[in-house]
Order: sequence, then structure tokens, then C-alpha cells
Amino acid sequence: EVQLVESGGDLVQPGGSLRLSCVGSEFTFSDYSMNWVRQAPGKGPEWVSYIGSSSSTIYYADSVKGRFTISRDNAKNSLYLQMNNLRDEDTAVYYCARATGSGRFAFGIWGQGTMVTVSS
Amino acid sequence: EIVLTQSPGTLSLSPGERATLSCRASQSVSSTYLAWYQQKPGQAPRLLLYGASSRATGVPDRFSGRGSGTDFTLTISRLEPEDFAVYYCQQYGSSPYNFGQGTTLEIK
Repeated sequence: EVQLVESGGDLVQPGGSLRLSCVGSEFTFSDYSMNWVRQAPGKGPEWVSYIGSSSSTIYYADSVKGRFTISRDNAKNSLYLQMNNLRDEDTAVYYCARATGSGRFAFGIWGQGTMVTVSS
Repeated sequence: EIVLTQSPGTLSLSPGERATLSCRASQSVSSTYLAWYQQKPGQAPRLLLYGASSRATGVPDRFSGRGSGTDFTLTISRLEPEDFAVYYCQQYGSSPYNFGQGTTLEIK
């Protein structure tokens, strides 16, 4: 079964850092673009970041630009999100989402999510 | 930045009825890059339609989509009990890949 599993969510103080990971299985990871999407409690999904299949193209939402860094290791079937200078408003469930292809494609496969709570 | 506005915010219908959900973009979106997702409580969003009208794998044919430019529609022809959920549209043609704010489809 095609699967994505996120990890790394935690309770962190404002200004702190966290690194999220997402491991894919049962598909050729390097063939697909990947994304991070977050969802604050009671709110709709918010796209956070995109990385192309070869890491040559990367985009960020304005709300995280300069604080978050997306990366991937195709040899390890893994996607990462380094989050620095965290703010209260970064509190959310963070999902990794696989595009249905390489490039601009809809988000066909989602992980179960990992909770990030930013609070003092 | 393309902003997507969904209407209505909440739709109250009965099983067997037809549901029509709207997604309006602040600027033109190629239909190639418009998707619809369904989300149930405690679950990740699930892709229903991509390219405005193509159903994702396993999606029943009672779900259909149409539209172009700035106006897109998701139609559920005959509501089943499992269809009551929150629905989001999303454009993935140009960054940021924004989602709409969602339409809650509730049982009347």
C-alpha cells in the first residue's frame, strides 16, 4: 500500500526549532513532487511548501518564508521540513502530501499528520 | 496570489439529494490545476477531483466537476450518508497553492 508517515511533531516554545520528517513507501519516491500542508485546529488546510522531484524547484508560503526549509533525500525516501523561529500561529497538524506526478499535480496521497504545538 | 472563495459555507441537505458546491478564484485558473478534496473529522484530506473534472482513483461517479477561468463547481448527484463532510477546492498551478476556506456539507 502506498503510504506516507510523518514524525517529529512536538510541543515547542516560541522561537524554538523543530524538524519534521516524512517517509514514503511502496512507490518510487524520486518520481514525485512533494508538499507540506498544515491545518490549524478548526481551520482549513494551508499549503506550506513544495519541492520538485529532484529538489531543483522549491516554493514556500509567505507565512513561513525565511523560517522554514523543505528538503528531501530520495535515497532514503524521505521528505523534511526544518522549522525555525516558531510562532504561536504555526501550531497545527502538519501533513506531507505526494503529488500525483512530477511537477504541478494535485495532492493524491497524504500522511496521517504530525502535531506541532508552539506554546510557552 | 490566487484566492479561492467557496460557497456556501454550509450546505444542509438530505441523503439522496443533489449537492452543488462552488469555488470562485480571484483570477483565472487553468482548469488543469484545480482540485477538490473531501475531509472527514480526524482524517487527512482526500483527493476527489483533479484537473477540475477528472476523478481520482476510487472516487464514485456521483462526484463530478466542471468549470473554467474563475468559476468551478463540484456536484454530488445523489448524496450518500458517507458524503457528509467538508470539501475544499485548491489551485496548484501557481505558487502559493492555496485552498479555499471550505464548504461543510451537513445532514438536514
